Parts: sequence; C-alpha cells; structure tokens
Amino acid sequence: EAGVAQSPRYKIIEKRQSVAFWCNPISGHATLYWYQQILGQGPKLLIQFQNNGVVDDSQLPKDRFSAERLKGVDSTLKIQPAKLEDSAVYLCASSRPGGRHEQYFGPGTRLTVT
Amino acid sequence: GDSVTQMEGPVTLSEEAFLTINCTYTATGYPSLFWYVQYPGEGLQLLLKATKADDKGSNKGFEATYRKETTSFHLEKGSVQVSDSAVYFCALSFGNEKLTFGTGTRLTIIP
Repeated sequence: EAGVAQSPRYKIIEKRQSVAFWCNPISGHATLYWYQQILGQGPKLLIQFQNNGVVDDSQLPKDRFSAERLKGVDSTLKIQPAKLEDSAVYLCASSRPGGRHEQYFGPGTRLTVT
Repeated sequence: GDSVTQMEGPVTLSEEAFLTINCTYTATGYPSLFWYVQYPGEGLQLLLKATKADDKGSNKGFEATYRKETTSFHLEKGSVQVSDSAVYFCALSFGNEKLTFGTGTRLTIIP
C-alpha cells in the first residue's frame, strides 16, 4: 500500500511570510497527526485528527498555526506569520482508528525560516 | 506529564559490537512503548514495540523488554552492522493517542 505522502519536501521562507504543508494519509487511516521536529529534539505533537474532527490541539500555537482536514482525508497545516523558531521538520503520520495501532510517518517537510 | 528520557548521543561503535541504548519513561498508567528509527534521508519507521509489562519487542536483530519495575525499555542488538547507522527514538503512547518521544540517539557504525 502507498505510504503517507507529504509535500513539499523542503521550503525556505522569510520570517513573517506564510507557508502551507500538505499531507495525504494511508487509505483507510482515520487518525491523522501533525508533529513538529526541531533539530536535535524528538517530534512533538501539534494536532491530532480523528476523521475531520480535532482530538488534540493542545500544543498547537493557535495564534499562528492552523490545520484542517476536509472530508476526513487530506490535511493542510499552515503557519502565518512564520517566526525563526518555526524552523523544523513537520511530520505527518496516520493510523487506523481505535486500539493500539502503529503510526505510519511520512517523509516530512523541512522548513527553514530566515 | 508523560516523558521519555533516552541515552545522550552520538554513539559510535565498530561493526559487530554490542549495542545498548538506554530509555526510561515517566507516565501515569501503563503505556505502550516503541522504538522508532530514522535512516538518513528517510522518515520515521517503527522498529519494535511492546504493549504491556514483560513483553519483548524484536525486529531486525534488535530487542527491547518492557520493564515496569524500572520503567525502562532499553534497546539492544548483539552485533551491529554499518547499515544500522541511524537516529533511534524511544517513545510511548496510550491507546491511539499521541506519541511522546525522547530526544533521539544518533548511532554511527564504523566498518
């Protein structure tokens, strides 16, 4: 089966600009996660969707970050305006709903804010 | 809150050496425990997991045992290869909730 797809793979922007990342989860995976991985750290959850509803967005900086998952499939994560400290790899993962299912990760989008 | 502490890196070993990467956790209740691996230029992949105390996860020659009494999940391999060079992350989760990761350990194997 096809894995989790993400685009773009790399993005360089200036501070105060906006940027959007796209994720297409594995077919049939109702649960979708966005993680932020700052260099030298482990990934940290930003937001979790179950179908198109938000399960956990407690770590999402809502003044500048937003995410949506229309129709319960693809998802978009947006940053507006970007800050230098947003430089990181943004990882999307998906899993089957319920129980203790493995999370499958996409290749990530590396964002550099200058 | 829940947290994972893992061995500081980087770790450099010679081929065929024995590997241990320490991982301990703090959590309320009994989480599932995982080791993820990130090879150069690739995404995170699940290496192994254990869902309850005394379970042993294993894959590709790697093993880790869920130790409730010491809240640990140390990763071991008897004979490492150059192809094992990667960054290894210990993580925990409850049910279908978020993964809480350690900071990662970079492993380099020298021929």
